[in-house]
Amino acid sequence: DQQVKQNSPSLSVQEGRISILNCDYTNSMFDYFLWYKKYPAEGPTFLISISSIKDKNEDGRFTVFLNKSAKHLSLHIVPSQPGDSAVYFCAASGSGTYKYIFGTGTRLKVLA
Amino acid sequence: EPEVTQTPSHQVTQMGQEVILRCVPISNHLYFYWYRQILGQKVEFLVSFYNNEISEKSEIFDDQFSVERPDGSNFTLKIRSTKLEDSAMYFCASSENRMGANVLTFGAGSRLTVL
Repeated sequence: DQQVKQNSPSLSVQEGRISILNCDYTNSMFDYFLWYKKYPAEGPTFLISISSIKDKNEDGRFTVFLNKSAKHLSLHIVPSQPGDSAVYFCAASGSGTYKYIFGTGTRLKVLA
Repeated sequence: EPEVTQTPSHQVTQMGQEVILRCVPISNHLYFYWYRQILGQKVEFLVSFYNNEISEKSEIFDDQFSVERPDGSNFTLKIRSTKLEDSAMYFCASSENRMGANVLTFGAGSRLTVL
């Protein structure tokens, strides 16, 4: 039961270019989405969120886009930096629940 | 910046033994969670806790598991009679709000190795 999917297990991008990480979900009741970054041997670190009433949220180099009709969200990192190299997880939650469902993660490697 | 702290960072135990993982959530947070990540797999929800009781739990969180907030600061996960498949990173998280802007802040994790 994979309600949240990140179909690209890995992504390599040159420093300074745009990184686009994708996430698809199946449950139309999800209304709040988070992106986390995770380094090895550390816990997930919150990056950016978006609620279903918006289609875009921006915070510095990070922008999240939400397409509700396609049940798809994406995280854009511009410009990408070597320090962005990590595993990125999207997570989704719906009203009436306390839990977030996480995707399988995408390992981003930013090449210097 | 406030953080969630977890102890121990790594615990090795024999199959069948009991393990207690400890967490100190952020002080003004009201909601507490345990997640786990088996090596190479996704982060999985185990349980959420609010107002001194379990508010939601996953299918994984069976009778082998229990949570407790024994005092005003600690939040513990107890695993009774550990199995090999319990080997994973266990992450504690806390949040201020239940819904809406419900951002989870995670600890660094406790790695459990069951031999």
